[in-house]
Amino acid sequence: GENVEQHPSTLSVQEGDSAVIKCTYSDSASNYFPWYKQELGKRPQLIIDIRSNVGEKKDQRIAVTLNKTAKHFSLHITETQPEDSAVYFCAASTPGTYKYIFGTGTRLKVLA
Amino acid sequence: DGGITQSPKYLFRKEGQNVTLSCEQNLNHDAMYWYRQDPGQGLRLIYYSQIVNDFQKGDIAEGYSVSREKKESFPLTVTSAQKNPTAFYLCASSPSAGGAYEQYFGPGTRLTVT
Repeated sequence: GENVEQHPSTLSVQEGDSAVIKCTYSDSASNYFPWYKQELGKRPQLIIDIRSNVGEKKDQRIAVTLNKTAKHFSLHITETQPEDSAVYFCAASTPGTYKYIFGTGTRLKVLA
Repeated sequence: DGGITQSPKYLFRKEGQNVTLSCEQNLNHDAMYWYRQDPGQGLRLIYYSQIVNDFQKGDIAEGYSVSREKKESFPLTVTSAQKNPTAFYLCASSPSAGGAYEQYFGPGTRLTVT
């Protein structure tokens, strides 16, 4: 079945450094790739998303890149801050299925 | 608070009892979802509904049941047949677009069964 692999499972960076989280998906028909941030005990919240007709998208310190040929996409956070510490999930969705396949999450720790 | 609510926030039950978790949305979304989240793990799909009076099993539906009698409501019942029900349960909704839009999550219900 469809799956999404996410790496690394944990990531520690110094404040001000960049963080990169990578995901690989299996269904070549997937066309929507959201990234969610979940703080401890809270709901996941969308931070950025990308559709298959776009290769890169940026929103201030956050960017996502998509390589359809390789079926992988990445989240880039620059100038990390302590409040970026959270668990980040990637997901992939295929048209017509109404299903979102989530990665297993990356726990990001930004060290002050 | 995002237009999707879940209640209660914390729920405690004895083993062998059925329990129903509430999920309500006022976003006019057609699609609704239930996920289970265990510590250190991702989101696993329990059930989803594309439209009123219709729902589909997800990857871990055994021991759970749902109903979708109204567009805004998608309650989840955790039955006594669910072997390990203690978990964090998240409800979500999205516009009807075949999965190509953002999912909005509720605040979650933490269920503890002893």
